[in-house]
Amino acid sequence: DAGVIQSPRHEVTEMGQEVTLRCKPISGHNSLFWYRQTMMRGLELLIYFNNNVPIDDSGMPEDRFSAKMPNASFSTLKIQPSEPRDSAVYFCASNPTGAWDTQYFGPGTRLTVL
Amino acid sequence: AQKVTQAQTEISVVEKEDVTLDCVYETRDTTYYLFWYKQPPSGELVFLIRRNSFDEQNEISGRYSWNFQKSTSSFNFTITASQVVDSAVYFCALSEAKETSGSRLTFGEGTQLTVNP
Repeated sequence: DAGVIQSPRHEVTEMGQEVTLRCKPISGHNSLFWYRQTMMRGLELLIYFNNNVPIDDSGMPEDRFSAKMPNASFSTLKIQPSEPRDSAVYFCASNPTGAWDTQYFGPGTRLTVL
Repeated sequence: AQKVTQAQTEISVVEKEDVTLDCVYETRDTTYYLFWYKQPPSGELVFLIRRNSFDEQNEISGRYSWNFQKSTSSFNFTITASQVVDSAVYFCALSEAKETSGSRLTFGEGTQLTVNP
């Protein structure tokens, strides 16, 4: 079975540009999570969805970040405009029921903002 | 608020040595789950184990074993006869147990394990 799929795997962009990260959760999983990993802050939860509905976006850094989940098999994380401090690895994860289940992570997107 | 502490930032051992990675957690929940994930140099996060707060039995999987002690709020991970392929960053994580709103993972800072040949 396919795991969580993320694209692109690497993204290099210039400050001020819009960046869109994509995630396809494991089929049948009802919850989806976006994380950011940096050396300074470690792994941080940005937002999570349950049944396509955003449940908690308190980890989203600021209004430049937005996330959507238009259907059960696709989610996007958008940064507009991007800044150098957004450089990080962004992980998407999903789990089956959303309650206490193991989260399975995608391979991550390494974002570099110049 | 939940918190996970992995006091060992880096550990270096020689192949075949046993090594224990410490994890101490804080939570006010009576029901919670604990996890360990491995992040090898390739960067992906690999799930290793999940334990619930009501099951304090130790678990063994091959060369891996986990010791969960609620009395000391610890969930330590031991690798027996370490191998070079065990070199990775290991994360301990704690999940709230909120049925209606999904499981939030709080991660520790991670322990970088280097196994030298």
